[in-house]
Amino acid sequence: SQKIEQNSEALNIQEGKTATLTCNYTNYSPAYLQWYRQDPGRGPVFLLLIRENEKEKRKERLKVTFDTTLKQSLFHITASQPADSATYLCALDSRRLYSGGYQKVTFGTGTKLQVIP
Amino acid sequence: DAGVIQSPRHEVTEMGQEVTLRCKPISGHNSLFWYRQTMMRGLELLIYFNNNVPIDDSGMPEDRFSAKMPNASFSTLKIQPSEPRDSAVYFCASSSMGLALEQYFGPGTRLTVT
Repeated sequence: SQKIEQNSEALNIQEGKTATLTCNYTNYSPAYLQWYRQDPGRGPVFLLLIRENEKEKRKERLKVTFDTTLKQSLFHITASQPADSATYLCALDSRRLYSGGYQKVTFGTGTKLQVIP
Repeated sequence: DAGVIQSPRHEVTEMGQEVTLRCKPISGHNSLFWYRQTMMRGLELLIYFNNNVPIDDSGMPEDRFSAKMPNASFSTLKIQPSEPRDSAVYFCASSSMGLALEQYFGPGTRLTVT
């Protein structure tokens, strides 16, 4: 069965360091992989999307890698700040095509990041 | 734009009662999604509309759940009758991209069924 794994344990990191979060998957061949941020009591917020033919994507202090051989994505936050503390979710499309070509996206359970001042 | 609007933000009801959650997607977005989030199961897709038509409702737990999208600017998720195990945060999200990418989430409705 299809499975998305994110580290369920919280990641604590010192301010200024690089935070690295992992998203592993099995029995998927996603065309797209997305990362979202969720703060307590709020809905997820889209951050980055990377396509299967892209190895790396950057946006300001964020970097995402996508290794379709290892079936893994890494999400990096450089020069981390306390304001980066949140839960980060990865989301994969299932390549299941409905009529009209719509795809279903499934979210991982997320990893909680705590940046310590 | 005000973003995705959901109401109510909090709902407390007794078992057996009908609950209706409401969502207004971002104007111009043609895809709408209803999710349920719990600590145990994370974020689960309940139903997915595209151009007001349900594309996938395989995530709807059972017949007690129903969803409608009568027009491009409004959707409802109804639970009848509600049960304590339905307690969760329900999110609505919309997207302008038919491939369910770059979804914009509302603030959620926290439902408690006693």
